[in-house]
Amino acid sequence: NAGVTQTPKFQVLKTGQSMTLQCAQDMNHEYMSWYRQDPGMGLRLIHYSVGAGITDQGEVPNGYNVSRSTTEDFPLRLLSAAPSQTSVYFCASSPRQGLGGANVLTFGAGSRLTVL
Amino acid sequence: KQEVTQIPAALSVPEGENLVLNCSFTDSAIYNLQWFRQDPGKGLTSLLLIQSSQREQTSGRLNASLDKSSGRSTLYIAASQPGDSATYLCAVRHQDSNYQLIWGAGTKLIIKP
Repeated sequence: NAGVTQTPKFQVLKTGQSMTLQCAQDMNHEYMSWYRQDPGMGLRLIHYSVGAGITDQGEVPNGYNVSRSTTEDFPLRLLSAAPSQTSVYFCASSPRQGLGGANVLTFGAGSRLTVL
Repeated sequence: KQEVTQIPAALSVPEGENLVLNCSFTDSAIYNLQWFRQDPGKGLTSLLLIQSSQREQTSGRLNASLDKSSGRSTLYIAASQPGDSATYLCAVRHQDSNYQLIWGAGTKLIIKP
């Protein structure tokens, strides 16, 4: 089925370790993004991309890196994991829209990360 | 800075009741507002999107309204069913923001059979 695929679904890391959360979409969406969801808080945007080779920071980018070498893939890298990065991470995509457009997002199922 | 609030954080009602979920935002300069549903262990699903020029949108038993001047939106669910149990989130897209959505923390809804 077409959609957004995230891997892994669960991951436990030790402080200081690095890892990459994978995100792939097969809908030819230009816009892709990463959010984190913490208890009692709304989703917060980490990084986003409006096309291959173009990325930008969101609300909470520190400690995370992204790249967009293809339209389909948008990996999120944690360089040196910290307990504060324990969270559920969601990847989302949409067709590119101009300002004021209806950017209805398609979400992946999420990746639950625990940093000890 | 735009802030989005959803009250209550949790709601439990008997099956069959009509109910209203609330979403408020502090800055009325928005492009649109969306309501999402989140099921445990799954991603979010978009339910309704209201453009800033619209007053309401309907899909089946769901009706979302938007009052920009007062900074409020409501999601009305008619004849609730146990399958409606989920967390409902609202998100606004600010006029100054290219793509970024500001999210509420959600209302966890439980429909009792």
